[in-house]
Amino acid sequence: EVQLVESGGDLVQPGRSLRVSCAASGFTFDDYAMHWVRQAPGKGLEWVSGISWNSGTIGYADSVKGRFTISRDNAKNSLYLQMNSLRPEDTALYYCARLWGTGIPYFDYWGQGTLVTVSS
Amino acid sequence: DIQMTQSPSSLSASVGDRVTITCRASESISTYLNWYQQKPGKAPNLLIYAASSLQSGVPLRFSGSGSGTDFTLTISSLQPGDFATYYCQQSYRFTQVSFGGGTKVEIK
Repeated sequence: EVQLVESGGDLVQPGRSLRVSCAASGFTFDDYAMHWVRQAPGKGLEWVSGISWNSGTIGYADSVKGRFTISRDNAKNSLYLQMNSLRPEDTALYYCARLWGTGIPYFDYWGQGTLVTVSS
Repeated sequence: DIQMTQSPSSLSASVGDRVTITCRASESISTYLNWYQQKPGKAPNLLIYAASSLQSGVPLRFSGSGSGTDFTLTISSLQPGDFATYYCQQSYRFTQVSFGGGTKVEIK
């Protein structure tokens, strides 16, 4: 059974840093690209970042470019998002999602999310 | 960046109604368009991929169409479990994925 379990969400002050993680199981992790998608309270889905299976291709939303860094450790079946210079508008539930990449890509599995709150 | 615009942002409908949600891309994305359903407190769930392909296990009352810049999601006969928020998402560019703003389907 495919499982994605996020962790590391916390209450942090503006300007501080936080790293959230996603532990994957039930599939061959290094066969898939992985992405982070966030959802602010009461708002819609916002794509944050994505990383290819071998970390060779990485993308970021303009809203986080230069502040967030996505990475993965295929030996540990884990995905990470390092978030620096956090702003109140980064407050959201952060989901990791697996990208099915054969043909037209889509997100076929999602975690339950980890909550990041940025507030003084 | 490719912008995705959904309409309406919300709608009220009754059980048994036919519901149509539209999604427009700011540039052509061929059929690189997916639809998700999200219920409160839950992660999104894939309904339709590649504009018109039904994900396994999704009821046949859901269908998708379109290509290029204009897409639609149709629920042929709304059921009680379909009251949720629906999102379109383009995957034309791996490094610039984007979602529509969402359509909340509420009970009339």
